[in-house]
Amino acid sequence: GAVVSQHPSWVICKSGTSVKIECRSLDFQATTMFWYRQFPKQSLMLMATSNEGSKATYEQGVEKDKFLINHASLTLSTLTVTSAHPEDSSFYICSASDSLNAPRNIQYFGAGTRLSVL
Amino acid sequence: LAKTTQPISMDSYEGQEVNITCSHNNIATNDYITWYQQFPSQGPRFIIQGYKTKVTNEVASLFIPADRKSSTLSLPRVSLSDTAVYYCLVGEKGGATNKLIFGTGTLLAVQP
Repeated sequence: GAVVSQHPSWVICKSGTSVKIECRSLDFQATTMFWYRQFPKQSLMLMATSNEGSKATYEQGVEKDKFLINHASLTLSTLTVTSAHPEDSSFYICSASDSLNAPRNIQYFGAGTRLSVL
Repeated sequence: LAKTTQPISMDSYEGQEVNITCSHNNIATNDYITWYQQFPSQGPRFIIQGYKTKVTNEVASLFIPADRKSSTLSLPRVSLSDTAVYYCLVGEKGGATNKLIFGTGTLLAVQP
């Protein structure tokens, strides 16, 4: 149980294009989803938190117009990197938790998406 | 906000017990402490979670002192496949809502 699927696992795009990353909870209702960014040899940095049906809450320093997050259903959240530039190249990871029904809000993570912007 | 810190790396041999500590001086009163394992180019995998004292499951134990300002993940009898980065995750006090902070991570290298 508690499987989170993230797609694609890696993507290469040209500078200026937009990239969409999907995160799905396969066997539980993800009332809360999180998006993280991780640079090589560094820890995970929280970008935003989204609750189903609500606007995402972005961490300080994260541009909400650049990183569009949609959490329209209890099993799907998407992160769209708009007008990507080389400095956006990173490892993006989503996680999900059933914050309403499961105690302790354990986060279950997707496998991550490696984004390379040329 | 105080950083949630861990030793950068640890070395061990197969069959040994490994203890990894995390310092979280600013932990929120009502938040749990969670530990994750991460392999290269993969998402973190849940290991164990606790609030206070000691928690044990089939893969690890978690020791939390009374002041909750630190925690120790204990891995019994490690194997080569336990080579990975280990992170603690805590909620830190910060304004209206607690802020989830991953620790700095500890790279555990297990040798034969």
